[in-house]
Amino acid sequence: AQRVTQPEKLLSVFKGAPVELKCNYSYSGSPELFWYVQYSRQRLQLLLRHISRESIKGFTADLNKGETSFHLKKPFAQEEDSAMYYCALSGSARQLTFGSGTQLTVLP
Amino acid sequence: GAVVSQHPSWVICKSGTSVKIECRSLDFQATTMFWYRQFPKQSLMLMATSNEGSKATYEQGVEKDKFLINHASLTLSTLTVTSAHPEDSSFYICSAIPDKNQPQHFGDGTRLSIL
Repeated sequence: AQRVTQPEKLLSVFKGAPVELKCNYSYSGSPELFWYVQYSRQRLQLLLRHISRESIKGFTADLNKGETSFHLKKPFAQEEDSAMYYCALSGSARQLTFGSGTQLTVLP
Repeated sequence: GAVVSQHPSWVICKSGTSVKIECRSLDFQATTMFWYRQFPKQSLMLMATSNEGSKATYEQGVEKDKFLINHASLTLSTLTVTSAHPEDSSFYICSAIPDKNQPQHFGDGTRLSIL
């Protein structure tokens, strides 16, 4: 069975501070990991996928197979980063299993 | 590119009514679409995988006769909530994959409220 755990429901940081959203996964094969973001009243959007190794809006995430983690990081948070962030895992069937989400609030 | 459109965005209806939700891929063809359900302040839960030209694959615990899925063309999948009751009230979201190397692209979702 595949499972994604996001331990923090809510996370608040001040503008300019570093931010890390935690994600751990459980999967027996070789998973593909994603971070999706949902801004207020908008659709779910892809932020990152581990295979592309890109940095989007200053966010990065590294897949750590030893720790089965895919934490999302940004060195300097901005107010416009406030949103709901979901970590997701895709197995061989291309279905996505989502974590419970972390609501990030960046305070001025 | 890779836009997924859902219709309607919001529907309110009486208990016992059947409600149809459409999911369209606007600028690509999708042999596979996915339907998710999201309760308030909770995560997305996969309900079923919709396959063009064949039967949908439902997740454990999802009633096939309650949630009818039809994927009659490469750009349209429909979810019909039959004889809807208040407990079916939720946010329903669909997604589609443009090709095997791309991630899922999501629709705006449909908020269903059953009175």
